[in-house]
Amino acid sequence: RKEVEQDPGPFNVPEGATVAFNCTYSNSASQSFFWYRQDCRKEPKLLMSVYSSGNEDGRFTAQLNRASQYISLLIRDSKLSDSATYLCVVQGSGAGSYQLTFGKGTKLSVIP
Amino acid sequence: NAGVTQTPKFRVLKTGQSMTLLCAQDMNHEYMYWYRQDPGMGLRLIHYSVGEGTTAKGEVPDGYNVSRLKKQNFLLGLESAAPSQTSVYFCASSYQASNTEAFFGQGTRLTVV
Repeated sequence: RKEVEQDPGPFNVPEGATVAFNCTYSNSASQSFFWYRQDCRKEPKLLMSVYSSGNEDGRFTAQLNRASQYISLLIRDSKLSDSATYLCVVQGSGAGSYQLTFGKGTKLSVIP
Repeated sequence: NAGVTQTPKFRVLKTGQSMTLLCAQDMNHEYMYWYRQDPGMGLRLIHYSVGEGTTAKGEVPDGYNVSRLKKQNFLLGLESAAPSQTSVYFCASSYQASNTEAFFGQGTRLTVV
């Protein structure tokens, strides 16, 4: 089983739509969780951290379910500028705590 | 506002040649990382450093060496390049070990022919 699994997409959605991405992770000892955004041929950039209580940043909402080892990202009112690849990232504990483990990414295309 | 800077941005090597990729950060971060990104594979950790003078192996360290002689710099070396090392290489740094943002450089596109 892959450590971090995501649906690769692509997700093609119209402007204004709501879209949700899911991610599962295999290491139950993982401590930190993030969503990064990567534009084509660019470096990854932090979109938001994910907390057990859930967190929201404008049109973006992230949720973490530790029992199911599941992370989600919801984007409301999609904009053309949201087109990118979204990377689910998990950080471990103990000796592996330094390592960020990346999912392969989910590609989103928002179409006019 | 430089952040993390990688040199060079592009490079073409012949099989067997050597090269060094330089990563420099101006944020006084302790932790630095080298990743490679291949189509369909996601980012994979090559080596990392938890402070000046320290290095450790990541998920895919074979064929690479690293050095962290100065806190702000993390060098990735390829002693004898192979076509399998054709990839996009990203350097990253972070302030602390966990639960913190990692800042990435703009990447180095390396082709080995």
